[in-house]
Order: sequence, then structure tokens, then C-alpha cells
Amino acid sequence: SQQGEEDPQALSIQEGENATMNCSYKTSINNLQWYRQNSGRGLVHLILIRSNEREKHSGRLRVTLDTSKKSSSLLITASRAADTASYFCAFVPGYSTLTFGKGTMLLVSP
Amino acid sequence: NAGVTQTPKFQVLKTGQSMTLQCAQDMNHEYMSWYRQDPGMGLRLIHYSVGAGITDQGEVPNGYNVSRSTTEDFPLRLLSAAPSQTSVYFCASSPGQGGPTGYTFGSGTRLTVV
Repeated sequence: SQQGEEDPQALSIQEGENATMNCSYKTSINNLQWYRQNSGRGLVHLILIRSNEREKHSGRLRVTLDTSKKSSSLLITASRAADTASYFCAFVPGYSTLTFGKGTMLLVSP
Repeated sequence: NAGVTQTPKFQVLKTGQSMTLQCAQDMNHEYMSWYRQDPGMGLRLIHYSVGAGITDQGEVPNGYNVSRSTTEDFPLRLLSAAPSQTSVYFCASSPGQGGPTGYTFGSGTRLTVV
């Protein structure tokens, strides 16, 4: 399988804390994307980082990419209860379309 | 602007029945894909299309057929439903591989095969 792997599989934190999720992959990529999925809903695109970028910010989100280690991380700062969701990394391997990791379930408690 | 529309939202099939899951997008996106989501497995790619008339297999294509006669529509056909095809199915579209807005997803079809 060319799926990515997220770590940890589940993460439980308190509101206000930071949440960090990691993603590893095995192929060469042009870009890596992060998505959020609220329970039972479709996925929502959060942020895209290109292979020639090392870090990208969007609001409370910070994404890093290390192509030499084939890994990426997503940091959510000052977490809120509304951030409770599953988070997936995704990238384009040889299939020419998006391939997902297995996801990290984030629970943010008030 | 409706985005990606999937129908039906829920479906129960008997083993051996066939059906078509519908997916339509109104954003003139070239790329469209079908995924299935199972607990602990994340999203797995079934089939995808990079334009009208062009389709290809993903990671788990067996038991499914697709066609892409128009840019807007990308139906997924289950030929002979099996309990192993019980899953949540998502359709997604994108203008390309790496646009800043990523892929747009439909709200999913929850399929149960009994």
C-alpha cells in the first residue's frame, strides 16, 4: 500500500493546548495536503504545502515538510473544542491522484 | 454553487444486487475520484479520472466500475454487492493535482450490504 501513516492514531488534549500530528509517506511527492473530517461528514481541505516548501502557516495551523525524511507535521495552536475531528494527510504518489493516510483522531476537551 | 453532490446518502443492498452511486460536480474540475472509508483504514482510492473519457484504477478497484462521459459526472457502479463492500463512499473533485484549494469532497454515501 502507498498510504501514508499518521502518528499518533489518537490524541486527547485540553482546550488551549497545542496539538501536533505527524505524517510519513514512502514515495516522491509534488505536494502534501492536510484535511479535517468531522464525525460522519465529508473531508475539508485545510492546507497544502509544496515539495519545495519547508513550512507554511494558515491561521492557527502550521505545517512542516521534510522531504528528505518523507515526513510532515501539522500543528494546531491554542486548540478549541471545535477542533475535535479526524485529521488526514494526503499526497499524490504514482496513481496521479490523492492518497490518504489513516488519520489522527483529535479530541479537545473544554 | 453546490460543489460535489453525492446520491443517495444512505443505501441498503442485498448481496448480489447491483447499484450505481452518483457523483456530480459543478466546478468544471478535471480530476474526480472515488474513495471508500472503513474504520481503522482511512480513505482508500477505488477509481479516479483525470478528465472526461479517462479513468484508472486505484488501490481497491475490484467489484467496482466507473465511467466518465462528461466533466460533471462520475458514477460508481457496484456490479454484484458483497458484505465486504459495506462502507462509506466519498467522491472528490479537483481542478488538478496540487491546486491551493485541494480536493472538494461530497458528503458521502453510507452503504450497507446484507
